[in-house]
Amino acid sequence: KNEVEQSPQNLTAQEGEFITINCSYSVGISALHWLQQHPGGGIVSLFMLSSGKKKHGRLIATINIQEKHSSLHITASHPRDSAVYICAVRSYNTDKLIFGTGTRLQVFP
Amino acid sequence: DSGVTQTPKHLITATGQRVTLRCSPRSGDLSVYWYQQSLDQGLQFLIQYYNGEERAKGNILERFSAQQFPDLHSELNLSSLELGDSALYFCASSVGGNGGERQFFGPGTRLTVL
Repeated sequence: KNEVEQSPQNLTAQEGEFITINCSYSVGISALHWLQQHPGGGIVSLFMLSSGKKKHGRLIATINIQEKHSSLHITASHPRDSAVYICAVRSYNTDKLIFGTGTRLQVFP
Repeated sequence: DSGVTQTPKHLITATGQRVTLRCSPRSGDLSVYWYQQSLDQGLQFLIQYYNGEERAKGNILERFSAQQFPDLHSELNLSSLELGDSALYFCASSVGGNGGERQFFGPGTRLTVL
């Protein structure tokens, strides 16, 4: 079993829909990152969380440390949100960054 | 533009060869991270340097080595290359060293080993 699990693996949505991507992890962490990778390959860091909730524009990220779970929400989705979303955690014990396998999102007009 | 630069953009080489990938972090950032992204294994953390010192180590092979120089740029050296080393190599930078800050990613170097 992977130390970081994401669901779903693939997600298709219509423009305007509310989207949720989930990330569960099994190790103790000092931080959790949400990354976005566009079809061209470039990676953008969306959020770094150690507790609570963060919001940036239409994106919201939450983390529940006790349940070892994080969610990334996209409100009013748009075709330009189409990308792979990757969850990564920094292990508290080893400082290693461990990545999930990503969620491929396609938003259609 | 993240402010992180990587050179070269593309690299094609043969098995057994050695290559050096270069990364310049954003101005003011002290940490540099190296990542490998291959088709079959996804993103993997290789190594982190903070202000010239190794800070954290991931799944970096013994054939690979890295360093961060006094001007904070970093180089990743890959030797005795194998076909399986073909991948996208990203570097990222952040201000601090404890992994608790947002990271800024470079555009990547695509390595093809023939």
